[in-house]
Amino acid sequence: DAGVTQSPTHLIKTRGQQVTLRCSPISGHKSVSWYQQVLGQGPQFIFQYYEKEERGRGNFPDRFSARQFPNYSSELNVNALLLGDSALYLCASSLAGQTTNEKLFFGSGTQLSVL
Amino acid sequence: RKEVEQDPGPFNVPEGATVAFNCTYSNSASQSFFWYRQDCRKEPKLLMSVYSSGNEDGRFTAQLNRASQYISLLIRDSKLSDSATYLCVALNTPLVFGKGTRLSVIA
Repeated sequence: DAGVTQSPTHLIKTRGQQVTLRCSPISGHKSVSWYQQVLGQGPQFIFQYYEKEERGRGNFPDRFSARQFPNYSSELNVNALLLGDSALYLCASSLAGQTTNEKLFFGSGTQLSVL
Repeated sequence: RKEVEQDPGPFNVPEGATVAFNCTYSNSASQSFFWYRQDCRKEPKLLMSVYSSGNEDGRFTAQLNRASQYISLLIRDSKLSDSATYLCVALNTPLVFGKGTRLSVIA
């Protein structure tokens, strides 16, 4: 069975550009979460989607947006890129997006570098 | 105050040593706790869940102290392959990660 897949694996952009990151959850998982991990820090929550609806949003500016498709895959969009957006972007899937004790499975991430 | 705080380390220990990490959390409403392991430039992977009664998985033991709001991870008989960053995680809907504690096991 395929795990969580993310694309692309690496990306280089310049300030002011826009980027779209993609994620396919584990088959049967209906919830997708996005995290940003800056070097030396733990992952920071950006969004959670379940059944195509936003379930939660972290403390990120409106330049960050996401959506989930009927097949449960998801896209994360970041507009007007800043140098500080350089990070590893992780997608995680879970079965039902429930709150208690549900395990998250992470993809290998997209490493975004903004120059 | 950060929601989840960890000593960043690094902890440098010889093979076979026992090492313990602590982590404190500020939100008393946190529902569940976990330890994740993250290798350099890789994704985090769930190591174990943490229960009030404590739980053990081979060489790894995790404990939760709700009264003092901390969790711990004990690794016995350290192996070279245990070298990684260990992330303490609290479920506050969503998951809140600590910065991680870096462990290096030395031959």
